[in-house]
Amino acid sequence: GAGVSQSPSNKVTEKGKDVELRCDPISGHTALYWYRQSLGQGLEFLIYFQGNSAPDKSGLPSDRFSAERTGGSVSTLTIQRTQQEDSAVYLCASSLYWDSNQPQHFGDGTRLSIL
Amino acid sequence: DQQVKQNSPSLSVQEGRISILNCDYTNSMFDYFLWYKKYPAEGPTFLISISSIKDKNEDGRFTVFLNKSAKHLSLHIVPSQPGDSAVYFCAAYTNTGNQFYFGTGTSLTVIP
Repeated sequence: GAGVSQSPSNKVTEKGKDVELRCDPISGHTALYWYRQSLGQGLEFLIYFQGNSAPDKSGLPSDRFSAERTGGSVSTLTIQRTQQEDSAVYLCASSLYWDSNQPQHFGDGTRLSIL
Repeated sequence: DQQVKQNSPSLSVQEGRISILNCDYTNSMFDYFLWYKKYPAEGPTFLISISSIKDKNEDGRFTVFLNKSAKHLSLHIVPSQPGDSAVYFCAAYTNTGNQFYFGTGTSLTVIP
C-alpha cells in the first residue's frame, strides 16, 4: 500500500533485551515522526526527522532510546535494555515536509510488551 | 506536566446532533492546534487544524474554535454520524522547541 508501514505490528520481549522498531514512510515524504502511546496516556512525541537529520532529540525518554534514518526513507527506533515501563504502542508518522500545519499520516503502530 | 488537556475521557451523542469536544492548554506560545481521530487498532488520522492567529476554521462537518484568552479550543461535529465514533486527540505545536503536545483523548460514541 501507499501508507506508512510499521513493523513488527506486535513485539513481546523480556526485560533487559534490546528491540528495534521499523518505520517505512510514504514515498516522497521528507519528514518522519515517532510517537509513543502508553496505556491511559496521550500521544507522546518522541523525535522527528527532516530528511536524515533529527534536530531535537530531547523528547526521547532516556538514553536507552535512539533513532536513526538513512537515505531519507526508512527509520528505526531502538530501545536498549528494555524496561517494563517501555511497554506501549509506538507510532510513526510522515508528512510531505516539516511544517507544523502539515497533516501527518500515521502507521498502525507497533505494540511493544515487555515481560 | 500536561500542557494540553482533554478533561472529558468520553462523550456520547445522538446521531444527527452536534458533538463538541473540548481541549484546554497552558502554554500561550503555541502556534498551531490540531485535531486527530483514531479508530481502534489504527494510527491517528489528521482531521483539522487552526493557527493561533485565527479563531475559527471550518471543513465540512468539522469546525474548530480557538479562544486564546481562555486557552481553550473545541471541535464541533455537526451533524454527528455513527462513523464519527472514535477517539479524538487534541494536539498543540510550538515553533520554539519544534514539539507537539497531545491531550489524552476523548472517546466519542455516536448513537444511531
